[in-house]
Amino acid sequence: DAGVIQSPRHEVTEMGQEVTLRCKPISGHDYLFWYRQTMMRGLELLIYFNNNVPIDDSGMPEDRFSAKMPNASFSTLKIQPSEPRDSAVYFCASSFVPSGYNEQFFGPGTRLTVL
Amino acid sequence: DAKTTQPNSMESNEEEPVHLPCNHSTISGTDYIHWYRQLPSQGPEYVIHGLTSNVNNRMASLAIAEDRKSSTLILHRATLRDAAVYYCILRLRGNLIFGKGTKLSVKP
Repeated sequence: DAGVIQSPRHEVTEMGQEVTLRCKPISGHDYLFWYRQTMMRGLELLIYFNNNVPIDDSGMPEDRFSAKMPNASFSTLKIQPSEPRDSAVYFCASSFVPSGYNEQFFGPGTRLTVL
Repeated sequence: DAKTTQPNSMESNEEEPVHLPCNHSTISGTDYIHWYRQLPSQGPEYVIHGLTSNVNNRMASLAIAEDRKSSTLILHRATLRDAAVYYCILRLRGNLIFGKGTKLSVKP
């Protein structure tokens, strides 16, 4: 398996632009997570899905952020409009939970810079 | 989720064992203890997990105190590739809550 795939790996945009980050989870995994990592706040969970349904989005910073999972093999995290404080590394992770325990597999991340 | 406390940083010499401590005095009876690590410029990766008994795998060993209020991740022979931030996490179900972790430096 190729692991969790994220694209793009790097994104530089200007304040006010829309940004879309993409994630392909590991085939067969039924949980998908979006995290954000900054020096100041460390790794923060933004939202997670189970069987394509959003379960907990309490970590989404504000309405400018939205996430979708239209099918089991694809998810997007959208920021509209983007702001400089959104600059961070965004990670996607997936897991398979047969009995409540889960090992999360992380993608390589997308480094977002908002100018 | 219950909180964990880890030292900010530790140093080790290559090929020596490393013991990374974690305190979790408010752990509940059903919290699993997870360890992840994050190598530079990479996403976190799973290392090991346990509930009550000590655990071993190809990467490391996890020693859990009898009262479960603390645990220790043991790397038996540190290599330069083990230099990373190590996170101790308690998880009952669902998501992982990452703290600041311990930054491990390995000297040749």
